Amino acid sequence: AQKITQTQPGMFVQEKEAVTLDCTYDTSDPSYGLFWYKQPSSGEMIFLIYQGSYDQQNATEGRYSLNFQKARKSANLVISASQLGDSAMYFCAMSLPRTSYDKVIFGPGTSLSVIP
Amino acid sequence: DAGITQSPRYKITETGRQVTLMCHQTWSHSYMFWYRQDLGHGLRLIYYSAAADITDKGEVPDGYVVSRSKTENFPLTLESATRSQTSVYFCASSESPRAGVETQYFGPGTRLLVL
Repeated sequence: AQKITQTQPGMFVQEKEAVTLDCTYDTSDPSYGLFWYKQPSSGEMIFLIYQGSYDQQNATEGRYSLNFQKARKSANLVISASQLGDSAMYFCAMSLPRTSYDKVIFGPGTSLSVIP
Repeated sequence: DAGITQSPRYKITETGRQVTLMCHQTWSHSYMFWYRQDLGHGLRLIYYSAAADITDKGEVPDGYVVSRSKTENFPLTLESATRSQTSVYFCASSESPRAGVETQYFGPGTRLLVL
Protein backbone atom coordinates (compact mmCIF):
# COMPACT_ATOMS: atom_id res chain seq x y z
CA ALA A 1 0.00 0.00 0.00
CA GLN A 2 1.18 3.51 -0.70
CA LYS A 3 1.61 5.32 2.56
CA ILE A 4 3.58 8.04 4.34
CA THR A 5 4.40 7.55 8.02
CA GLN A 6 5.49 10.27 10.41
CA THR A 7 5.98 8.68 13.82
CA GLN A 8 6.65 11.88 15.79
CA PRO A 9 3.37 13.67 16.50
CA GLY A 10 5.24 16.40 18.39
CA MET A 11 8.84 17.53 18.73
CA PHE A 12 10.66 20.15 20.78
CA VAL A 13 14.00 21.70 19.90
CA GLN A 14 16.13 24.41 21.47
CA GLU A 15 16.66 27.51 19.38
CA LYS A 16 19.84 27.33 17.25
CA GLU A 17 19.99 23.53 17.56
CA ALA A 18 19.46 21.14 14.65
CA VAL A 19 16.40 18.88 14.51
CA THR A 20 15.46 15.85 12.42
CA LEU A 21 11.86 15.09 11.52
CA ASP A 22 11.28 11.49 10.53
CA CYS A 23 9.42 10.30 7.46
CA THR A 24 9.14 6.81 6.02
CA TYR A 25 7.27 5.91 2.88
CA ASP A 26 5.93 2.82 1.21
CA THR A 27 5.50 2.34 -2.50
CA SER A 28 6.38 -0.21 -5.13
CA ASP A 29 6.58 2.45 -7.85
CA PRO A 30 10.18 2.91 -9.02
CA SER A 31 9.58 6.58 -9.81
CA TYR A 32 8.35 8.93 -7.13
CA GLY A 33 9.04 12.25 -5.49
CA LEU A 34 9.30 13.21 -1.85
CA PHE A 35 8.37 16.59 -0.41
CA TRP A 36 8.25 18.46 2.82
CA TYR A 37 5.74 21.19 3.53
CA LYS A 38 5.54 23.55 6.49
CA GLN A 39 2.21 24.69 7.90
CA PRO A 40 2.47 27.54 10.42
CA SER A 41 -0.37 28.41 12.76
CA SER A 42 -1.76 30.77 10.12
CA GLY A 43 -2.67 27.67 8.12
CA GLU A 44 -1.03 28.06 4.74
CA MET A 45 1.01 25.21 3.26
CA ILE A 46 4.56 26.25 2.38
CA PHE A 47 6.73 24.09 0.12
CA LEU A 48 10.18 23.47 1.63
CA ILE A 49 12.13 20.86 -0.31
CA TYR A 50 11.83 18.13 -2.96
CA GLN A 51 13.76 14.93 -3.69
CA GLY A 52 13.25 12.73 -6.74
CA SER A 53 13.63 8.98 -6.39
CA TYR A 54 16.43 8.94 -8.96
CA ASP A 55 18.32 11.90 -7.52
CA GLN A 56 21.75 10.77 -6.39
CA GLN A 57 22.43 13.59 -3.98
CA ASN A 58 20.37 14.65 -1.00
CA ALA A 59 18.36 17.81 -1.62
CA THR A 60 19.25 20.96 0.29
CA GLU A 61 17.49 24.33 0.47
CA GLY A 62 19.12 26.80 2.82
CA ARG A 63 18.72 25.47 6.37
CA TYR A 64 16.66 22.51 5.15
CA SER A 65 18.10 19.25 3.94
CA LEU A 66 16.43 16.00 3.07
CA ASN A 67 18.22 12.87 4.29
CA PHE A 68 17.13 10.40 1.59
CA GLN A 69 17.85 6.75 2.35
CA LYS A 70 16.25 4.83 -0.50
CA ALA A 71 16.93 1.32 0.78
CA ARG A 72 15.33 2.17 4.11
CA LYS A 73 12.54 4.14 2.40
CA SER A 74 13.12 7.13 4.59
CA ALA A 75 13.14 10.84 3.76
CA ASN A 76 13.91 12.68 6.97
CA LEU A 77 13.94 16.48 7.08
CA VAL A 78 16.86 18.10 8.85
CA ILE A 79 16.52 21.72 9.95
CA SER A 80 19.79 23.26 10.99
CA ALA A 81 20.09 26.17 13.42
CA SER A 82 16.41 26.19 14.43
CA GLN A 83 14.65 29.52 14.69
CA LEU A 84 11.51 30.49 16.61
CA GLY A 85 9.75 30.93 13.28
CA ASP A 86 10.28 27.25 12.52
CA SER A 87 7.55 26.34 15.02
CA ALA A 88 4.87 24.78 12.83
CA MET A 89 3.37 21.54 11.56
CA TYR A 90 5.55 19.72 9.04
CA PHE A 91 4.14 17.35 6.47
CA CYS A 92 6.03 14.77 4.48
CA ALA A 93 4.45 13.90 1.12
CA MET A 94 5.08 11.53 -1.76
CA SER A 95 4.15 12.03 -5.41
CA LEU A 96 3.47 9.07 -7.66
CA PRO A 97 3.17 9.51 -11.41
CA ARG A 98 -0.17 8.49 -12.85
CA THR A 99 -1.60 8.76 -16.33
CA SER A 100 -2.96 12.26 -16.12
CA TYR A 101 -1.43 13.74 -12.98
CA ASP A 102 0.89 12.99 -10.10
CA LYS A 103 -0.95 11.50 -7.14
CA VAL A 104 0.30 13.15 -3.96
CA ILE A 105 -0.02 11.37 -0.61
CA PHE A 106 0.56 13.28 2.63
CA GLY A 107 1.65 12.00 6.01
CA PRO A 108 -0.20 12.93 9.24
CA GLY A 109 2.33 15.60 10.17
CA THR A 110 4.74 16.44 12.99
CA SER A 111 4.28 19.47 15.22
CA LEU A 112 7.60 21.21 15.89
CA SER A 113 8.01 23.66 18.73
CA VAL A 114 11.20 25.72 18.97
CA ILE A 115 12.07 26.75 22.51
CA PRO A 116 13.96 30.03 23.16
CA ASP B 1 -0.10 39.50 -7.31
CA ALA B 2 -2.81 37.70 -5.28
CA GLY B 3 -1.73 34.17 -6.20
CA ILE B 4 -4.35 31.74 -5.01
CA THR B 5 -7.25 32.78 -2.82
CA GLN B 6 -10.08 30.92 -1.13
CA SER B 7 -13.41 32.15 0.15
CA PRO B 8 -14.89 32.08 2.62
CA ARG B 9 -12.04 31.54 5.07
CA TYR B 10 -14.46 30.30 7.74
CA LYS B 11 -17.92 28.78 7.32
CA ILE B 12 -20.46 27.31 9.72
CA THR B 13 -23.38 25.45 8.21
CA GLU B 14 -25.98 22.88 9.16
CA THR B 15 -26.37 19.26 8.15
CA GLY B 16 -28.17 18.92 4.84
CA ARG B 17 -27.37 22.37 3.50
CA GLN B 18 -25.53 22.99 0.27
CA VAL B 19 -22.22 24.80 0.63
CA THR B 20 -19.86 26.10 -2.05
CA LEU B 21 -16.22 26.85 -1.37
CA MET B 22 -14.53 29.13 -3.86
CA CYS B 23 -10.99 29.00 -5.19
CA HIS B 24 -9.40 31.54 -7.50
CA GLN B 25 -5.86 31.67 -8.90
CA THR B 26 -4.21 34.45 -10.87
CA TRP B 27 -1.33 32.47 -12.39
CA SER B 28 -3.34 30.79 -15.18
CA HIS B 29 -2.14 27.41 -13.94
CA SER B 30 -3.78 24.56 -15.81
CA TYR B 31 -3.98 22.18 -12.87
CA MET B 32 -6.05 22.76 -9.77
CA PHE B 33 -6.73 20.55 -6.77
CA TRP B 34 -9.00 20.36 -3.74
CA TYR B 35 -7.75 18.71 -0.56
CA ARG B 36 -9.26 18.24 2.86
CA GLN B 37 -7.12 18.21 5.98
CA ASP B 38 -8.15 16.19 9.00
CA LEU B 39 -6.22 15.45 12.16
CA GLY B 40 -4.19 12.29 11.76
CA HIS B 41 -4.73 12.09 8.01
CA GLY B 42 -2.67 14.91 6.60
CA LEU B 43 -4.16 16.16 3.33
CA ARG B 44 -6.32 13.98 1.11
CA LEU B 45 -7.21 14.78 -2.48
CA ILE B 46 -10.92 15.29 -3.17
CA TYR B 47 -10.94 16.34 -6.83
CA TYR B 48 -8.52 17.69 -9.35
CA SER B 49 -8.82 19.48 -12.68
CA ALA B 50 -6.39 19.40 -15.60
CA ALA B 51 -7.99 22.32 -17.46
CA ALA B 52 -11.27 24.14 -17.88
CA ASP B 53 -14.11 21.61 -18.17
CA ILE B 54 -11.81 18.68 -17.26
CA THR B 55 -12.18 17.29 -13.75
CA ASP B 56 -11.57 13.94 -12.10
CA LYS B 57 -12.02 12.26 -8.74
CA GLY B 58 -9.29 12.01 -6.16
CA GLU B 59 -9.04 9.88 -3.06
CA VAL B 60 -12.18 11.03 -1.18
CA PRO B 61 -14.71 12.47 -3.70
CA ASP B 62 -17.99 11.22 -2.19
CA GLY B 63 -20.37 14.02 -1.22
CA TYR B 64 -18.54 16.65 -3.26
CA VAL B 65 -19.06 18.18 -6.69
CA VAL B 66 -16.69 20.42 -8.64
CA SER B 67 -16.85 22.48 -11.79
CA ARG B 68 -14.32 24.44 -13.80
CA SER B 69 -15.90 26.69 -16.39
CA LYS B 70 -12.95 29.12 -16.25
CA THR B 71 -9.26 28.32 -15.84
CA GLU B 72 -8.89 30.60 -12.84
CA ASN B 73 -11.81 29.30 -10.77
CA PHE B 74 -12.40 25.88 -9.24
CA PRO B 75 -15.38 25.85 -6.86
CA LEU B 76 -16.08 22.88 -4.58
CA THR B 77 -19.69 22.17 -3.61
CA LEU B 78 -20.96 20.03 -0.78
CA GLU B 79 -24.38 19.10 -2.09
CA SER B 80 -25.82 18.08 1.30
CA ALA B 81 -23.34 18.76 4.07
CA THR B 82 -22.68 16.11 6.71
CA ARG B 83 -20.84 16.38 10.03
CA SER B 84 -18.06 14.18 8.65
CA GLN B 85 -17.31 16.95 6.16
CA THR B 86 -16.20 19.26 8.96
CA SER B 87 -12.61 19.89 7.95
CA VAL B 88 -10.11 22.37 6.61
CA TYR B 89 -10.23 22.58 2.83
CA PHE B 90 -7.24 23.57 0.74
CA CYS B 91 -7.21 24.52 -2.89
CA ALA B 92 -3.95 24.23 -4.82
CA SER B 93 -2.76 24.97 -8.33
CA SER B 94 0.18 23.90 -10.45
CA GLU B 95 1.62 24.62 -13.87
CA SER B 96 2.35 20.96 -14.38
CA PRO B 97 0.63 17.69 -13.55
CA ARG B 98 4.02 16.39 -12.58
CA ALA B 99 4.59 17.28 -8.95
CA GLY B 100 8.27 17.91 -8.54
CA VAL B 101 10.27 21.05 -8.78
CA GLU B 102 7.13 22.57 -10.29
CA THR B 103 5.26 22.17 -7.07
CA GLN B 104 1.68 22.77 -6.09
CA TYR B 105 0.91 26.16 -4.60
CA PHE B 106 -1.69 26.17 -1.86
CA GLY B 107 -4.38 28.64 -0.91
CA PRO B 108 -4.85 29.77 2.70
CA GLY B 109 -7.58 27.19 3.42
CA THR B 110 -11.26 27.29 4.39
CA ARG B 111 -12.29 26.05 7.82
CA LEU B 112 -15.73 24.44 7.55
CA LEU B 113 -17.84 23.40 10.51
CA VAL B 114 -20.99 21.37 9.87
CA LEU B 115 -23.39 21.32 12.82
